[in-house]
Amino acid sequence: NAGVTQTPKFQVLKTGQSMTLQCAQDMNHEYMSWYRQDPGMGLRLIHYSVGAGITDQGEVPNGYNVSRSTTEDFPLRLLSAAPSQTSVYFCASTRARLDGELFFGEGSRLTVL
Amino acid sequence: LAKTTQPISMDSYEGQEVNITCSHNNIATNDYITWYQQFPSQGPRFIIQGYKTKVTNEVASLFIPADRKSSTLSLPRVSLSDTAVYYCLVFMNTGFQKLVFGTGTRLLVSP
Repeated sequence: NAGVTQTPKFQVLKTGQSMTLQCAQDMNHEYMSWYRQDPGMGLRLIHYSVGAGITDQGEVPNGYNVSRSTTEDFPLRLLSAAPSQTSVYFCASTRARLDGELFFGEGSRLTVL
Repeated sequence: LAKTTQPISMDSYEGQEVNITCSHNNIATNDYITWYQQFPSQGPRFIIQGYKTKVTNEVASLFIPADRKSSTLSLPRVSLSDTAVYYCLVFMNTGFQKLVFGTGTRLLVSP
């Protein structure tokens, strides 16, 4: 069972470039979310989805877009990368609305020059 | 969202029991307490979750007093592989869990 898979694991961008971080889960989880983690800090919620076709903003949504066309996939798009978006990004999924057990991917390390 | 406070770091030795306490003074009636473990370059991993009293699983125990304003994660007989950052979170048992991760407790286990 693959769980939550994120690609790419590493990416370097120049300021102003756009890119998409991919996230896929094979556990048929309804809830998916994206977090960023900056050095020495905890995770901050960027966007989340409660099901296909439904997304909402988290704590730090500016500069990011998401969509959820299928249950399995939840891509995160950086529209115009900025150095402040240099971070490690984690995708997570959970079984149900009332479940505190999130399953995280291995992370995607993004550097914006 | 209830804010949590936990020690920045703790040191221990192999074979000892480690107790990490978390304060969550403004926890609400519907909030649950959850603990995660994170190794370097990996995503957080769920350890345990509870509402009140004591919860135990194969890796840890969670103690929650009656007022629920704090909780203690207990790791029995730690090993070097338990060196990690441990996060205490509370989440509302209604709607989507906008989990708020603090800075966590960095546990270092030495031989």
